[in-house]
Amino acid sequence: TQLLEQSPQFLSIQEGENLTVYCNSSSVFSSLQWYRQEPGEGPVLLVTVVTGGEVKKLKRLTFQFGDARKDSSLHITAAQTGDTGLYLCAGVKETSGSRLTFGEGTQLTVNP
Amino acid sequence: GAVVSQHPSRVICKSGTSVKIECRSLDFQATTMFWYRQFPKKSLMLMATSNEGSKATYEQGVEKDKFLINHASLTLSTLTVTSAHPEDSSFYICSAGVGFAEKLFFGSGTQLSVL
Repeated sequence: TQLLEQSPQFLSIQEGENLTVYCNSSSVFSSLQWYRQEPGEGPVLLVTVVTGGEVKKLKRLTFQFGDARKDSSLHITAAQTGDTGLYLCAGVKETSGSRLTFGEGTQLTVNP
Repeated sequence: GAVVSQHPSRVICKSGTSVKIECRSLDFQATTMFWYRQFPKKSLMLMATSNEGSKATYEQGVEKDKFLINHASLTLSTLTVTSAHPEDSSFYICSAGVGFAEKLFFGSGTQLSVL
């Protein structure tokens, strides 16, 4: 059983469209992170959310942490071809120190 | 931000040989380093957690004799894939952290291809 359920796994959209990626769990996390990864590279941290109900914006990206700290979402407005990549959510459980648990990832393709 | 250097970035080896991958924290001391394995367009699977000066903790299903981890200093951890076989071909990534996950930094990965 995957601790962090991420959906959708694959998403192909046209430039200019909006999209949302979801990350859900039955477990509570002390923090949740979103990463973007390009082929042949390591993941790059986009944001960390730590407070239930927290909303963070990074230009066209909006991140939300659920009130119960069990789920999160990433919304991209007016997607661009440069947004193409693998998006990963990862959580830290309160009892696991710095051990990250990753979701299955969402492969986003933005077509021109 | 902090830098984690991982090398080699790509290695091709013959079946039966051993391959060592290094992960270095360049500008900070990492109390904990993590090793992950990743298949194409899939997520990262945690293989093991290594703490400086102690034995690594392996995830269920990961053979510790196959994937040897050494964390001899606060800036260096190594993963050695022993007697590599084609099924070991994968993208291996390390991360290094201090304290909490908010300060976890990733290397750029190593693509291992075993012929």
